[in-house]
Amino acid sequence: DQQVKQNSPSLSVQEGRISILNCDYTNSMFDYFLWYKKYPAEGPTFLISISSIKDKNEDGRFTVFLNKSAKHLSLHIVPSQPGDSAVYFCAATSGGYQKVTFGTGTKLQVIP
Amino acid sequence: NAGVTQTPKFRVLKTGQSMTLLCAQDMNHEYMYWYRQDPGMGLRLIHYSVGEGTTAKGEVPDGYNVSRLKKQNFLLGLESAAPSQTSVYFCASSDAPDVYEQYFGPGTRLTVT
Repeated sequence: DQQVKQNSPSLSVQEGRISILNCDYTNSMFDYFLWYKKYPAEGPTFLISISSIKDKNEDGRFTVFLNKSAKHLSLHIVPSQPGDSAVYFCAATSGGYQKVTFGTGTKLQVIP
Repeated sequence: NAGVTQTPKFRVLKTGQSMTLLCAQDMNHEYMYWYRQDPGMGLRLIHYSVGEGTTAKGEVPDGYNVSRLKKQNFLLGLESAAPSQTSVYFCASSDAPDVYEQYFGPGTRLTVT
């Protein structure tokens, strides 16, 4: 049972445009959500997070939106840059550091 | 400051062989984790440790053992490798139970033939 779902395996966006990566979850106990970015042959690196008490969190070009009623979160990258080309993992936790559940990832390609 | 390092980077094993993957972190983190990543499956937690001398099972622990004899090291062992254990293995560490950000190593690509 995939509790965190990233239904788009890949996404292509032109440089300078907005990239929107989506994530759905099924476990209503999740209360903290994270996005990780992964380049080939490297480990994932933390990008941005959001607590369930918020509906938006921004960090520079990256904004995460959380819609608890729809059990949906999204990552917006504006403007997109070629260096943003990577696999993005959505992750969620219900309050335990050992219970972080990862999605399957979306591969973003930003075309110059 | 190297962060999280993993040894080796690549390994090919025959079915039934054993091996140990080493993870080391220099950030003085209490918590360490082993994940495996398979196509279409995301990252799945194998085992984790909440401090030196402690280990616990994650989501997919069967066929693996771990040890945390020193705070900075977390070892993952395969006693009798199987083709189903072909995967990319990632080690991670984090600072505190209420800090969910984890720092990952570069990964070990293991192939079992």
